[in-house]
Amino acid sequence: EVQVVQSGAEVKKPGESLKISCKGSGYNFANYFIAWVRQMPGKGLEWMGVVFPGDSDTTYSPSFRGQVTISADKSINTAYLQWSSLKASDSGMYYCARRGGAASGDFDYWGQGTLVTVSS
Amino acid sequence: AIQMTQSPSSLTASVGDRVTISCRASQGIRKDLGWYQQKPGKAPKLLIYAASTLQSGVPSRFSGSGSGTDFSLTISSLQPEDFATYYCLQDYDYPLTFGQGTKVEI
Repeated sequence: EVQVVQSGAEVKKPGESLKISCKGSGYNFANYFIAWVRQMPGKGLEWMGVVFPGDSDTTYSPSFRGQVTISADKSINTAYLQWSSLKASDSGMYYCARRGGAASGDFDYWGQGTLVTVSS
Repeated sequence: AIQMTQSPSSLTASVGDRVTISCRASQGIRKDLGWYQQKPGKAPKLLIYAASTLQSGVPSRFSGSGSGTDFSLTISSLQPEDFATYYCLQDYDYPLTFGQGTKVEI
């Protein structure tokens, strides 16, 4: 059974660093892209970027390039989203999702979401 | 970046109604489009990919159509569990982009 499981909620202060994770199981993790999607409270979905775990090739949305780092470790079937210096505006729900084989809008398995709260 | 414009932003419907949501791309995207359903407090769920292919396990009352710049999601007979927010996502070119969402309410 394919599963995508994210790390738990985080509460951080502005300026702190953070790395959240997304672990895939039940499939060949290296062969499927993993995307990260942000959802601010009460707002829509924003595509942040994607990583291909097989070679760690990464593509970012211009809106998020330089603000976050997306990575993956195929040896432990885990993708990451990290911040070096959090801001209050980084508060929100973050989802990871596996891109299916059709690569045509088919993000077929989603994590449960990781709520990030940044507050002094 | 390709802009995805969904309409309407919200709609009110009743159980049994036929509902159609539209999504327009700012440039041609072939059929590289997915539709997602999101309920409050839950992760999005894939309904349709490649514009018209029903994801496994999704009820057949959901259907998608379109290619190029104009797409639609139709729910043939709205059920109580279908009240949610729906998003389109273009997967033609990076950065991938979502529509702003359509909230389907009673």
